[in-house]
Order: sequence, then C-alpha cells, then structure tokens
Amino acid sequence: TAGITQAPTSQILAAGRSMTLRCTQDMRHNAMYWYRQDLGLGLRLIHYSNTAGTTGKGEVPDGYSVSRANTDDFPLTLASAVPSQTSVYFCASSDSGLRTEAFFGQGTRLTVV
Amino acid sequence: AQKVTQAQTEISVVEKEDVTLDCVYETRDTTYYLFWYKQPPSGELVFLIRRNSFDEQNEISGRYSWNFQKSTSSFNFTITASQVVDSAVYFCALSEDSNYQLIWGAGTKLIIKP
Repeated sequence: TAGITQAPTSQILAAGRSMTLRCTQDMRHNAMYWYRQDLGLGLRLIHYSNTAGTTGKGEVPDGYSVSRANTDDFPLTLASAVPSQTSVYFCASSDSGLRTEAFFGQGTRLTVV
Repeated sequence: AQKVTQAQTEISVVEKEDVTLDCVYETRDTTYYLFWYKQPPSGELVFLIRRNSFDEQNEISGRYSWNFQKSTSSFNFTITASQVVDSAVYFCALSEDSNYQLIWGAGTKLIIKP
C-alpha cells in the first residue's frame, strides 16, 4: 500500500521562486496536514484540511498556501520562497481528525538559497 | 494552553539496557489523545501508540511499554533490552477533542551503542 506519497523528495530552490510540494494519499482519510520540521523545534503545523473543500491555518502559515480540491490531494505552495523556509516538510493524513493516529509521508527536504 | 514537554534532549545507553523516555503534557480538555512516534535516521515518522484520556491502562508491545498516569500528566515510554535498531528520535504528541492539530514535544534522540 502506498499510504501517503510526497513529491519531490528533495529540492533546491532559488529565493523568490515559487514551488508546489505535492501530497497524495490513498487511504480515503478525511483530514490532511502539512508540517515543517526544523532542528530543535519539532514539528510545526503549517496548514490543515479537515475535509475536501476546506482548509485552515496552523501555527506557521505565513508564506504558504494550500488547496483541497478532492480527498486524495493536498498540495502546498510557496509563492515566493525565502531562505527561512528551508526545512523538511511532512504531509500527513488521519481518519476522524486527530482522534486517530496520523500517517506521514516520507518528507520533502527543501533548501532555499 | 496545551503543551508537550520531553525534557530529555538526548539519551545514550549501551545495547540491552532498559531506557525510559519521559513525556509530560498540559491540557485543559478532559478528552484528549496521546501519541508516540519514532523517527529513525532514514527520516520517516512511524506511529507507535495512541492512548485516549479515558484509558489509563498501561500497554506492552514486545519490548515497548507505555505508562500513562493522569495524576502526573505523564505518558512515559520504556524500551526493555534496547537494541541498536531502536536508535531514533522519539516524539510524544497530544491532540485534544476540541482542537485540530497535534501538539508535538521537541523529541528525544535515543542512541543505542553496541
């Protein structure tokens, strides 16, 4: 089973450029999430979606946007990348919100130079 | 406000030793969920266990065991007879019934030496 697939696995991006991180799940989970992981800071929520057609802001949403056109896909877009967005990005999904465990993709390592 | 504290930044033990990773949480909700995740050097996040606030039974899964104590707001994780493959960063996390996000601890890096 694929579970959650993220693409690309890594990317070097010039500051000021835009980029979309892709996330697809095949578990038909209602909720999806984007986190960033920085050394010493754990995981921080960027945006979330409780169900297709709805999205919400997490702890660190500035500089990022998301969309949830269908159940399976939850892309994260950086409109104009800055070096502080260098991080590892994880997409996750869960059934019934966070009453159940979240399943994570393998992560995307993004370096903004 | 909700919070998860993993006071141990890094623990290093010799293989076959037992090791306990501490997790202390804060929440005002009466219904909440606690999780442990493992992040091995390869980087993926692996779910280990979920506990809801109404279930204080301790759980054992092979060499892993979890001690949930509401009286001390703790959800500690013990690995018995540790192995090198247990080397990873372990995260404790909290979700509340009224909230949409997981609150993560900063993680404990566990190093098991052969």
